[in-house]
Amino acid sequence: GAGVSQSPRYKVAKRGQDVALRCDPISGHVSLFWYQQALGQGPEFLTYFQNEAQLDKSGLPSDRFFAERPEGSVSTLKIQRTQQEDSAVYLCASSLGAGDQQGLGEKLFFGSGTQLSVL
Amino acid sequence: AQSVAQPEDQVNVAEGNPLTVKCTYSVSGNPYLFWYVQYPNRGLQFLLKYITGDNLVKGSYGFEAEFNKSQTSFHLKKPSALVSDSALYFCAVRDIGSFQKLVFGTGTRLLVSP
Repeated sequence: GAGVSQSPRYKVAKRGQDVALRCDPISGHVSLFWYQQALGQGPEFLTYFQNEAQLDKSGLPSDRFFAERPEGSVSTLKIQRTQQEDSAVYLCASSLGAGDQQGLGEKLFFGSGTQLSVL
Repeated sequence: AQSVAQPEDQVNVAEGNPLTVKCTYSVSGNPYLFWYVQYPNRGLQFLLKYITGDNLVKGSYGFEAEFNKSQTSFHLKKPSALVSDSALYFCAVRDIGSFQKLVFGTGTRLLVSP
């Protein structure tokens, strides 16, 4: 597709359920990011992949959060034993290059996000 | 740690008037600054960036931003607002030591009235 695609668009989970959120980045993009956006807040960094390698997972809030990108394209963010505080919009973004090593301030292309509501 | 602040939750402006959305930053070293816009039910879209060079940066949709080092500000501006500019605007800074991570502000909602 032409842009970053995320699915599902909306997800309602009961507390304690596991969820999986999918991101299809722009074809050929090396870098992939996950951000969490709580209501009324700006996006907060969760994790970063360069191809299939997860180079930074410092933003993951707990060990209930797990992300993978096994073939360097599609990525899945999994949340185990969901809690109410996990309710947020989860944004995926991709960029062409590998971590802005050239200092060009590479722009990110964002998907529309998955809105997760934990009841 | 790098951070940005957007002091206004909402900015109201009449169509045709100039608009300013404010952003101040706190960084160690040279800042890499960005503006993104979020329309309803759509992902964030890149507007412009400041890396180095001219303090006035021109971006998409007629927007521009002025980098002011002495005031540590990076305000977003447009000479003549359109109703279609109504959206949520985020200022962001690249996190030092992590070339990949952006740190976003809390966002400013811009409402342009006809």
